[in-house]
Parts: sequence; structure tokens; C-alpha cells
Amino acid sequence: DVKVTQSSRYLVKRTGEKVFLECVQDMDHENMFWYRQDPGLGLRLIYFSYDVKMKEKGDIPEGYSVSREKKERFSLILESASTNQTSMYLCASSKRGSEKLFFGSGTQLSVL
Amino acid sequence: SQQGEEDPQALSIQEGENATMNCSYKTSINNLQWYRQNSGRGLVHLILIRSNEREKHSGRLRVTLDTSKKSSSLLITASRAADTASYFCATVLSGGSYIPTFGRGTSLIVHP
Repeated sequence: DVKVTQSSRYLVKRTGEKVFLECVQDMDHENMFWYRQDPGLGLRLIYFSYDVKMKEKGDIPEGYSVSREKKERFSLILESASTNQTSMYLCASSKRGSEKLFFGSGTQLSVL
Repeated sequence: SQQGEEDPQALSIQEGENATMNCSYKTSINNLQWYRQNSGRGLVHLILIRSNEREKHSGRLRVTLDTSKKSSSLLITASRAADTASYFCATVLSGGSYIPTFGRGTSLIVHP
């Protein structure tokens, strides 16, 4: 079974802090994704990556950046956290050419 | 951008009853997927139906797709308390990338 591991289940940060959310997958998937999930809004795509060192903006990239230095790892970076970035962050991966996503358990981030 | 929209937003039934959730979308799709999310966790892929398919089964799940009406339904037969979760449809557009776009979800509660 594919395993997508997110480094933290819960995270509390202060406004203005730089925040790193880490995601690792163990099935050699080419594609990796970061979504955020908010009540009533569903899942919205922040960034995705088709390959190492590649990144593409999703629907809501403002205030975020990403890094993919290794195939198995995809990091989401909040350069200067703000309260409106309080959310559940979900990482996912998929094999090239496949539309089926495998998700991590999520990181609930609170920015105070 | 939100492509699929689930209906109803919330559904409450008794164990043993059938649960039906619907998803409507706006533009032509390559495929439609359904995912389940248990409270506070990541999403789990349930089933994928392609645009040239009309019905698919997986265990107690039955998915239909009507491309003329741009809609899909997910039927869970003989529901169990363990089916309590949120259910999301996700669409992959025709001629586009392989990235699913998620709806806002249906929250299902199955009472024992």
C-alpha cells in the first residue's frame, strides 16, 4: 500500500513565522500535491509537482511556496504565516498518468 | 475552481438503510472519482468511473454516471456505522491535466 506521511498532525505557529510542512511518499510516485481544506470550501489545490525540482501553481498559491529536491519529498512553505492560513493541509501523490490520488493524514495548522 | 458539487451537504440515516449522494459538474470530464474522509483524516480513494462508463460497483458501493446530465451518484447499500464520513466527488477534465478537482463533500452520519 502507498504510504504518504505528513510530518505533523497538529501544528501551532505565530503570525509572521516561517512554516515548513513536510510530506514523504514511499511508492516512487512522480506527482505530488498540496491541498488545503476549509469547512464549507472543500479541498483547494495550492501547488503540485510532476517531477523533482518541478512545481506548478494551483488555484490558491498566494502566500505559499514549495520545494521538491527529492522525488519522495514535497515541502510546503508558508513564508510568513498569517491567521487566514489556519487550515487543514493535505498532501497527496499519484503515479504519472494516473488520476487516483493517495493522501496523507493531514496537518491541522493553527496560526495565532 | 470548484468543478463538482455534492448534494446533499449532509445526510443522516439509520444503519441498514441505503445512502445516496449526488455530484453535479459543469464541463466535460475524462473521469469522476469518489473519495471518503473520516473525521480529521486524509481522503481515501473509493472508485473511479470513466466518461464512457455508466455504472460501476465495488462491494457495497455503486456509482453511476450520466454525462448528458453532467451528474453522478454514489449509492452505499446496507450502510453501517463505520460508513460515517464525508464523501467527495472529484472530476478530471477532458483534455486537461490529470489533476482531480474536488467538490465540497457530503457529510454522512449512520446511526447504529
